[in-house]
Amino acid sequence: GAVVSQHPSRVICKSGTSVKIECRSLDFQATTMFWYRQFPKQSLMLMATSNEGSKATYEQGVEKDKFLINHASLTLSTLTVTSAHPEDSSFYICSARVLGADGYTFGSGTRLTVV
Amino acid sequence: QKEVEQNSGPLSVPEGAIASLNCTYSDRGSQSFFWYRQYSGKSPELIMSIYSNGDKEDGRFTAQLNKASQYVSLLIRDSQPSDSATYLCAVSPGTASKLTFGTGTRLQVTL
Repeated sequence: GAVVSQHPSRVICKSGTSVKIECRSLDFQATTMFWYRQFPKQSLMLMATSNEGSKATYEQGVEKDKFLINHASLTLSTLTVTSAHPEDSSFYICSARVLGADGYTFGSGTRLTVV
Repeated sequence: QKEVEQNSGPLSVPEGAIASLNCTYSDRGSQSFFWYRQYSGKSPELIMSIYSNGDKEDGRFTAQLNKASQYVSLLIRDSQPSDSATYLCAVSPGTASKLTFGTGTRLQVTL
């Protein structure tokens, strides 16, 4: 089946630095990618929707200048957490809808720890 | 605020029993409904989808949808210890629109 490859799976960074998370669609083209964040024992919260070739749409309360999303091709979407702080430590997951398939395919997630 | 509500649990059932998970949603315009299973530290994996009122069965899993009551449920028959996980209900207004997730119900299947 369709796979969304997400990297890195884990990252530890220092406060104030930036981290880039990549999601690649394998064997299919993802015109839209959804980015979620999940804090411990909480549900997935949609951060933004990225569309290939256009600006991402951010959910209310999500800082677009802090969470930079790029969707420059049909197979790659990236999320960059800029000037990371400890409160940004979370589990970040991307997701795409595959045409003809049921449901949404999720990446394996990135555990970000900011120290 | 469009919401999806689930009982956080934990729901504890003995091995071999039926586990019943429930979900209510507030947006009457919702068209697509999904149940995802999430193991600790992992990303969600699709268990069932349902789009029309009634029941949908797939192996040990049955999803039930009642749009009039804005209610969707998941039944797991012959529960196994490997079913122990958090089950997330997700709702979408369309077939390719963003998902709104519930907080999840933690299921524990005991030996």
